[in-house]
Amino acid sequence: EVQLVESGGGQVKPGGSLRLSCAASGFTFSSYSMNWVRQAPGKGLEWVSSISSSGTYIYYADSVRGRLTISRDNAKNSLYLQMNSLRADDTAIYYCARGRSNSKQIDYWGQGTLVTVSS
Amino acid sequence: QSALTQPASVSGSPGQSITISCTGISSDVGGYSYVSWYQQHPGKAPKLLIYDVSNRPSGVSNRFSGSKSGNTASLTISGLQAEDEADYYCSSYTSSNTYVFGAGTKVTVL
Repeated sequence: EVQLVESGGGQVKPGGSLRLSCAASGFTFSSYSMNWVRQAPGKGLEWVSSISSSGTYIYYADSVRGRLTISRDNAKNSLYLQMNSLRADDTAIYYCARGRSNSKQIDYWGQGTLVTVSS
Repeated sequence: QSALTQPASVSGSPGQSITISCTGISSDVGGYSYVSWYQQHPGKAPKLLIYDVSNRPSGVSNRFSGSKSGNTASLTISGLQAEDEADYYCSSYTSSNTYVFGAGTKVTVL
């Protein structure tokens, strides 16, 4: 069974930093691209970033480029999101999500971790 | 990248069929078969319903079906049931190697 478990969320002041982690199990992590998708309170889904299976290819939404950094450790079956220079509009539930094999779509999602940016 | 356009809400009675549209542009929905649909119940993570425009993952009811014409994709729910009351999101891969989601459609079962 595919499982994605996020951690590291919490409350941080504007301009602060946070590092999110996602522990993956139930599949060969190193064979799949991974994503972060966020959802502000009461709002829709917003794709944040993607990383290829080997980590070679990385993409970001314009709204986070230069402030958020995606990375992975295939030996630890883990995905990360380093979040710097956080703003109030970064407040959201952050979901770790798997890219479907040989496809450009997202299939499995974690339960999410809440990040609140507030003074 | 602008969000894909979905109706804010759609409603129907039990047993009826409803269709949710998802309109993009030629560099996302119109240019790829990588269109997917997700169902999200309150407080829960999204769940994949449809991938590659019209394919269902195993375990997803055949009451859910997808299609695409030009820059518009559609999700049809037939035989509407109370448990189908949820938010539904479409998504597409884009020519910029990114993903774009629709703003979401709230489905109400009357």
